[in-house]
Amino acid sequence: GAVVSQHPSWVICKSGTSVKIECRSLDFQATTMFWYRQFPKQSLMLMATSNEGSKATYEQGVEKDKFLINHASLTLSTLTVTSAHPEDSSFYICSARPTSGDQETQYFGPGTRLLVL
Amino acid sequence: EDQVTQSPEALRLQEGESSSLNCSYTVSGLRGLFWYRQDPGKGPEFLFTLYSAGEEKEKERLKATLTKKESFLHITAPKPEDSATYLCAVPYGGTSYGKLTFGQGTILTVHP
Repeated sequence: GAVVSQHPSWVICKSGTSVKIECRSLDFQATTMFWYRQFPKQSLMLMATSNEGSKATYEQGVEKDKFLINHASLTLSTLTVTSAHPEDSSFYICSARPTSGDQETQYFGPGTRLLVL
Repeated sequence: EDQVTQSPEALRLQEGESSSLNCSYTVSGLRGLFWYRQDPGKGPEFLFTLYSAGEEKEKERLKATLTKKESFLHITAPKPEDSATYLCAVPYGGTSYGKLTFGQGTILTVHP
């Protein structure tokens, strides 16, 4: 149980284009999902908190107009990197907190590797 | 300021050589400490959640313990497949807001 999927697993795009990444909780509902970013040999850095039915909250220094988050259902959150540039290349990972049961633990997706050329 | 510090940064073990990883934290009102395993190029895999000092949890060769200031991940008779980065995390401010602060991780390598 507690499986989180991400799609795509990797994406290569040209500078200036937009990329959408999906995060789904497959066997549980999640009112809250989180988006992280991880650079090589570094730990995870929280980018934003995604709440179903409301606006996402962003961490300090994260541009909300560049990283658009939509949490349209209890099992799906999307992150859109708008007008991507090479410096946006990174490993993006989502996590989800179950609505019921152990609500403290976050379960992570497999990650999406983005390369912007 | 909430902090999570893991040590050592890297640990090399021979197969069967037991050891421990440390996670020290400074938060007020701890509401859970989490251990994850991360393989290269993959998302973190959930291992344990600990809520109170004295609590212990086990899974195969891994055992996690918690005190008021730190947590240990004990690895008994490790195998090469246990090689990974082990991450610990605590909620921001120790409260249940869901946001996690991660340590820098311990890279474990187990040689056959």
